[in-house]
Amino acid sequence: QAVLTQPSSLSASPGASASLTCTFRSDIDLTTYNIYWYQQRPGSPPQYLLRYKSDSDNQQGSGVPSRFSGSKDASANAGILVISGLQSEDEADYYCLTSHNSAWVFGGGTKLTVL
Amino acid sequence: QVQLVQSGAEEKKPGDSVKVSCKASRNTFSTYDVNWVRQATGQGLEWMGWINPNSGYTGYAQKFQGRVTMTRDTSKTTIYMELSSLRSEDTAVYYCARGAGDVWGQGTTVTVAS
Repeated sequence: QAVLTQPSSLSASPGASASLTCTFRSDIDLTTYNIYWYQQRPGSPPQYLLRYKSDSDNQQGSGVPSRFSGSKDASANAGILVISGLQSEDEADYYCLTSHNSAWVFGGGTKLTVL
Repeated sequence: QVQLVQSGAEEKKPGDSVKVSCKASRNTFSTYDVNWVRQATGQGLEWMGWINPNSGYTGYAQKFQGRVTMTRDTSKTTIYMELSSLRSEDTAVYYCARGAGDVWGQGTTVTVAS
């Protein structure tokens, strides 16, 4: 089972909110982990959005709008990226990342469609 | 402005080695680890390993152990990633990224074909 699992796709309407999940493998307690989120548009490198560990320990990427926010759902053992006020430009691939056993681990990515 | 500028596209044959460079702004070179990540066409991101530009210490993903070597030239503020024994499955865009990925290089396309 993969360390991090993301749904392959998600669709949402302009102006709505989208919640992208990043589920940790069941044997890993996500509460002590930093979760990083990246946006990637076709033909471009990933762009850093934010880091989230807890409500008191998180960091927004430089220039990243506040409508991008992170959280955790302990009951689901998942990190969540919430994008509010969806815009057409938010259509992209989104990846989560954590460090596990001294190695970076990426989720498989979620393709967000705004329509 | 912090930048990571990578070397140009490479075309290699199976069994060859490739060495990709990543030049960092002088003022940020020694402050952060540099990670290497690759992405095959239409696929997700795959972490390859990291290097500390100060010490030269490295850590590699298990998948690439024995095939990847990361080095640095402090005088040129440049990081290198060399991948050997190339096969077609190594065809991908290779990225360097600073620290936890707040700054990325533009990517280097490596194509492995006979």
